[in-house]
Amino acid sequence: SQTIHQWPATLVQPVGSPLSLECTVEGTSNPNLYWYRQAAGRGLQLLFYSVGIGQISSEVPQNLSASRPQDRQFILSSKKLLLSDSGFYLCAWRYPSGSPYEQYFGPGTRLTVT
Amino acid sequence: QKEVEQDPGPLSVPEGAIVSLNCTYSNSAFQYFMWYRQYSRKGPELLMYTYSSGNKEDGRFTAQVDKSSKYISLFIRDSQPSDSATYLCAMTKGGGSYIPTFGRGTSLIVHP
Repeated sequence: SQTIHQWPATLVQPVGSPLSLECTVEGTSNPNLYWYRQAAGRGLQLLFYSVGIGQISSEVPQNLSASRPQDRQFILSSKKLLLSDSGFYLCAWRYPSGSPYEQYFGPGTRLTVT
Repeated sequence: QKEVEQDPGPLSVPEGAIVSLNCTYSNSAFQYFMWYRQYSRKGPELLMYTYSSGNKEDGRFTAQVDKSSKYISLFIRDSQPSDSATYLCAMTKGGGSYIPTFGRGTSLIVHP
């Protein structure tokens, strides 16, 4: 069966510090991968998605970046965090040729920037 | 106007009540409609999905799509305290890289 992991589960970082969040998927090959941010009361905002190693599409211009160094690994980074980067970060995956309604989310990372 | 509108609530109901959760949308190209359930501090999980218009039933849950009105609903019968969660609607045109559009989510509280 497929499993998606995210770490850390919670993170408190000062403004201006760097960020690295990691997501890995087990049990499948060549998944489509997604990073979302969920701010309080604002729904899910798609940040990045990837259809393969080294292939990253950015949906929202900001001080975040994403990388996919391995097939089942997706990393979200920032060089200098802003207060507005606080939120709940979710990684998700789907089969590249799967049904349009199938997307599977990880447990999330709660980031607080102080 | 946002592409998908969803009342954030909270919606508070007594145990056993019938719950109606709704979303409206503006893009007539949406073909696939999903409902996700998200417990506090957890990732969303797919609850139900429908394609195009019509109803779909799964146990106590019924998803309904009215494309002519651009309106989708999720009904929960005999609601339980364990149904307390945030419910997010999502929709997509299908095909391509699959980028769903999500509503803000409605917080549901079912009290005993």
